[in-house]
Amino acid sequence: AQTVTQSQPEMSVQEAETVTLSCTYDTSESDYYLFWYKQPPSRQMILVIRQEAYKQQNATENRFSVNFQKAAKSFSLKISDSQLGDAAMYFCAYTGSPTTGNQFYFGTGTSLTVIP
Amino acid sequence: DAGVTQSPTHLIKTRGQQVTLRCSPISGHKSVSWYQQVLGQGPQFIFQYYEKEERGRGNFPDRFSARQFPNYSSELNVNALLLGDSALYLCASSFNLFEQYFGPGTRLTVT
Repeated sequence: AQTVTQSQPEMSVQEAETVTLSCTYDTSESDYYLFWYKQPPSRQMILVIRQEAYKQQNATENRFSVNFQKAAKSFSLKISDSQLGDAAMYFCAYTGSPTTGNQFYFGTGTSLTVIP
Repeated sequence: DAGVTQSPTHLIKTRGQQVTLRCSPISGHKSVSWYQQVLGQGPQFIFQYYEKEERGRGNFPDRFSARQFPNYSSELNVNALLLGDSALYLCASSFNLFEQYFGPGTRLTVT
């Protein structure tokens, strides 16, 4: 079974600094997708960034980028120039190929605090 | 465009009762998934529906059931409620089956 592990329950970062959130996963599939979701205290889950496993290039969305290491099954999120609005729970998620049914597996989350 | 909507926002039920939660997907999205999020945990997959058919089911008892309507909205039903069913229930819709957009959730409290 697929598993997603986030080993950092809590992280903090100074405003304008950079922080990296870690995620590892376990799968026997070769075709899959990885995601980072943000859940602010208002609780609505927001998609931050997506990575397709077949793409070697790391995904980037403005201040958010990932370090995808397929062989190591690692998928970390880097937040640059951290802002107060980045404070939230961050969840790493995995899903397999849509053709085989795509149940999402989530990690337990990392709570990010941004210090002014 | 409106996002995923869920109703009700909050719900309080008594053990043994039944509850129905509702979800309307983003316009054009044909897939709806349901998740249970216990406080302090990540979401756990319950069901996925696509074009009104069940495509996947997580490790939840038969007390949990769902359906998708012709307009792609969905209902999640939970029978014989237990205290452990207290959680945030999230609905997510998808156009392409692998990128999901979440609603605000329904907070269910079972007393």
